[in-house]
Amino acid sequence: QSALTQPASVSGSPGRSITISCTGTSSDVGAYNYVSWYQQHPGKAPKLMIYDVTNRPSGVSDRFSGSKSGNTASLTISGLQAEDEADYYCISYTSSTTLVFGTGTKVTVL
Amino acid sequence: QVQLVQSGAEVKAPGASVKVSCKASGYIFTGYYLHWVRQAPGQGLEWMGWINPNSGVTTYAQKFEDWVTTTRDTSIRTAYMEVSSLKSDDTAVYYCARGRDPTPQFDLWGQGTLVTVSS
Repeated sequence: QSALTQPASVSGSPGRSITISCTGTSSDVGAYNYVSWYQQHPGKAPKLMIYDVTNRPSGVSDRFSGSKSGNTASLTISGLQAEDEADYYCISYTSSTTLVFGTGTKVTVL
Repeated sequence: QVQLVQSGAEVKAPGASVKVSCKASGYIFTGYYLHWVRQAPGQGLEWMGWINPNSGVTTYAQKFEDWVTTTRDTSIRTAYMEVSSLKSDDTAVYYCARGRDPTPQFDLWGQGTLVTVSS
């Protein structure tokens, strides 16, 4: 199972919006609405930001939103803030009943 | 307090095995899956597998099927992940994470265990 493809880096100015893509196949992202997104700050455990493509856990800012079209899922961060600077990973359920992470995206707030 | 507490850092020689523990507290241990995720230094996250603490059923990523074993002891609310035949590229932080089921919704993470493989 190959890792899902994410851009290595995305940057944006404070207050702007950015979108991170997560491209898989018809056997993972395209097949199920079981895509999650995690935020990871250096030296910390990942934090769940989005699950089941579009759902936000309690306590996560509504500036974070998720979507999916075909084999590509996306995470949008609106109103970018300095604290959003971190690594972001998508992960999907697969037809093999396993899970696969994306390659990860470093978000920089300019 | 709802938490997952993992065992401490380990240093192992190539070819050895390591067993990392993950102790749950503050919730019904058998009511959630436990997933294992690792992260090599400076690298991304890699999903390894899960265990259903209620049934003991496990599933692994194909890459890990032959050399990773996850078990649990429900009497002490602890899950274990054993990695055998360690190589230098197994050096990583290993995390356990709670999930509602086999889907990738991990709402609680352990603090991570650094395993260093070095001669």
